[in-house]
Amino acid sequence: NAGVTQTPKFQVLKTGQSMTLQCAQDMNHEYMSWYRQDPGMGLRLIHYSVGAGITDQGEVPNGYNVSRSTTEDFPLRLLSAAPSQTSVYFCASSYSARGYYNEQFFGPGTRLTVL
Amino acid sequence: GDSVTQMEGPVTLSEEAFLTINCTYTATGYPSLFWYVQYPGEGLQLLLKATKADDKGSNKGFEATYRKETTSFHLEKGSVQVSDSAVYFCALRENAGNMLTFGGGTRLMVKP
Repeated sequence: NAGVTQTPKFQVLKTGQSMTLQCAQDMNHEYMSWYRQDPGMGLRLIHYSVGAGITDQGEVPNGYNVSRSTTEDFPLRLLSAAPSQTSVYFCASSYSARGYYNEQFFGPGTRLTVL
Repeated sequence: GDSVTQMEGPVTLSEEAFLTINCTYTATGYPSLFWYVQYPGEGLQLLLKATKADDKGSNKGFEATYRKETTSFHLEKGSVQVSDSAVYFCALRENAGNMLTFGGGTRLMVKP
């Protein structure tokens, strides 16, 4: 049971390049989410999904796209990277029981630098 | 909207000292409250939680009590160890959903 995995661990992009951050979980969790972590600001929610085929925006969605074609995978796409997207990105997942969500499990993070 | 405020760090303590990290929140409903810990180079791990007023969450010697009257969820530990050095995040979640709102994080450094 690997939990939540993220690739790559580190990435450097040039302004305007595109890339996809990968996230996968093997716990059959229906809920998955992406956060970005910036100094002094904690983690802020980018996008989330409550199940395959369903996604929604979080607090800071601009510049990011997501899709959820399977329960296991939830990739985050940057279509045209900007220096303001330099951050550490975390993926998380959780499941619900009796109408309430359990704790969120976090991946190890991807450190992205946009030059 | 919802918000979480926690004391700025870094907090530097000697081993076996008493720890308090303050956390206060603003929410429209009756949220669940969490403390997460992030060790260097790792993702966040749930440390403890409380789901209703007066609940006390505890784990690994850490404790926090959900105080509705003061909208607070302060983290405490009686005797810190070097291995407790990490960044601690206070967070809330409205019970109607699963979206976490985080505070800015507090870095704790424990010296031998």
